[in-house]
Amino acid sequence: EPEVTQTPSHQVTQMGQEVILRCVPISNHLYFYWYRQILGQKVEFLVSFYNNEISEKSEIFDDQFSVERPDGSNFTLKIRSTKLEDSAMYFCASSEISRASGANVLTFGAGSRLTVL
Amino acid sequence: AQSVTQPDIHITVSEGASLELRCNYSYGATPYLFWYVQSPGQGLQLLLKYFSGDTLVQGIKGFEAEFKRSQSSFNLRKPSVHWSDAAEYFCAVGPNYGGSQGNLIFGKGTKLSVKP
Repeated sequence: EPEVTQTPSHQVTQMGQEVILRCVPISNHLYFYWYRQILGQKVEFLVSFYNNEISEKSEIFDDQFSVERPDGSNFTLKIRSTKLEDSAMYFCASSEISRASGANVLTFGAGSRLTVL
Repeated sequence: AQSVTQPDIHITVSEGASLELRCNYSYGATPYLFWYVQSPGQGLQLLLKYFSGDTLVQGIKGFEAEFKRSQSSFNLRKPSVHWSDAAEYFCAVGPNYGGSQGNLIFGKGTKLSVKP
């Protein structure tokens, strides 16, 4: 079964450092997403990406965050200057529009745990 | 405001017993509804989804869920729980239109423990 692959599985960084989280979406999917889950809290939407541009973003996704699809397979989330409160599990997801329903069905990766010290 | 409520933070059931996990939502229009499961160290796996039609939907691993519009609920059920079902379960709602938006709203999750 096709998978969404995320690397690294765990990253520890110092506050103020830049971090790049990488994702390889399912190959025929066209829509890509980042979510995050702070320990003990809800999974929260960060951003969606389609046709090489951001299609929607949440209030969490401020100027410190950026996304990129640098080539035909990778989808990255960059945090420019990490803060303690950025510590979380970050999930990448991809989707295609269902032909039957016209709806998105997201497939999530296993997540990248970011710890900011 | 749009929200998803899972009132039970932690549930423990005996293996072989039935299970019901509650989910209530507040949404401006008829949403798409999902249940995801997260095992330790794993990603979010889709159990089942409701888009339209029959309000009782079947999913993987023997799970089912029923959409009740009048109660704004989408409870997850399983008639006989297996030890391997121990995990965290998330209810989510999404916009009822196509396009690139995948802005799912998740509940806080219900952790399921299974007693032998």
